[in-house]
Amino acid sequence: ETGVTQTPRHLVMGMTNKKSLKCEQHLGHNAMYWYKQSAKKPLELMFVYNFKEQTENNSVPSRFSPECPNSSHLFLHLHTLQPEDSALYLCASSPPLYNEQFFGPGTRLTVL
Amino acid sequence: GQSLEQPSEVTAVEGAIVQINCTYQTSGFYGLSWYQQHDGGAPTFLSYNGLDGLEETGRFSSFLSRSDSYGYLLLQELQMKDSASYFCAVSLPPGNTPLVFGKGTRLSVIA
Repeated sequence: ETGVTQTPRHLVMGMTNKKSLKCEQHLGHNAMYWYKQSAKKPLELMFVYNFKEQTENNSVPSRFSPECPNSSHLFLHLHTLQPEDSALYLCASSPPLYNEQFFGPGTRLTVL
Repeated sequence: GQSLEQPSEVTAVEGAIVQINCTYQTSGFYGLSWYQQHDGGAPTFLSYNGLDGLEETGRFSSFLSRSDSYGYLLLQELQMKDSASYFCAVSLPPGNTPLVFGKGTRLSVIA
C-alpha cells in the first residue's frame, strides 16, 4: 500500500458512455499525476497538477478531462472514448520537486 | 523527442546477480529513477541517481553516467519475488519527479 487509492479498479464502458476515475491521497503531497499504461508501451504521462493547478497536459485528447478540486483528490472524466483508450490508468502523487512518486493500484479500463 | 531504451526481457537464476541497462535520449536531464512493478500491482520506487556514480540500497544498486546517457540497475542475491517489470525513468528540468519512462524490462527469476 502506497497511500494512494484509485476507484474503480476495473471499468468497462461503451464509446458513448461518460464515466469518471477517482484518485485520492492523504500523504500531504502537493503534486498529482495521471499516467496511461498500455501493453508493451512505456508509461505515458497525461496530466500533472501542482497545488491544484494543471502544469502539464501532454497532448492528451479532449475526451479525457482532468479535475483537481483539492490537493488530495484527482479525477479523470471520460467521454466518447475509443477502443484504443483501453489501458491501465495510474494515478501518482509526490511532494513538489521530490524524486519519488507514489503510485496508486490503477484502474483497468476497457472500452467496447 | 524523448526516448529511453532498456531490454524487454531478462531471465536470471535465483541467487545470481543481474544488471538491467537503460540508455536515454531526452531534451533535458535532471536524474534517473528506477521503479519495480509486479503483475497487477502499482509501480514502486526503487532508487534515484541525480549525480554520476553508484547508489546502493540493500540488494539493489543503481548507477548513472550522465556523459554516456546511461544507467543501470543491479540486483544481487536474486529472489523469486524479484520477478517483476523494472522501469527506468528520466526526470526533466526543472523538477525532480520522473516524467519520462522506458518500456520496462521483464525480469524472470528461475530456480
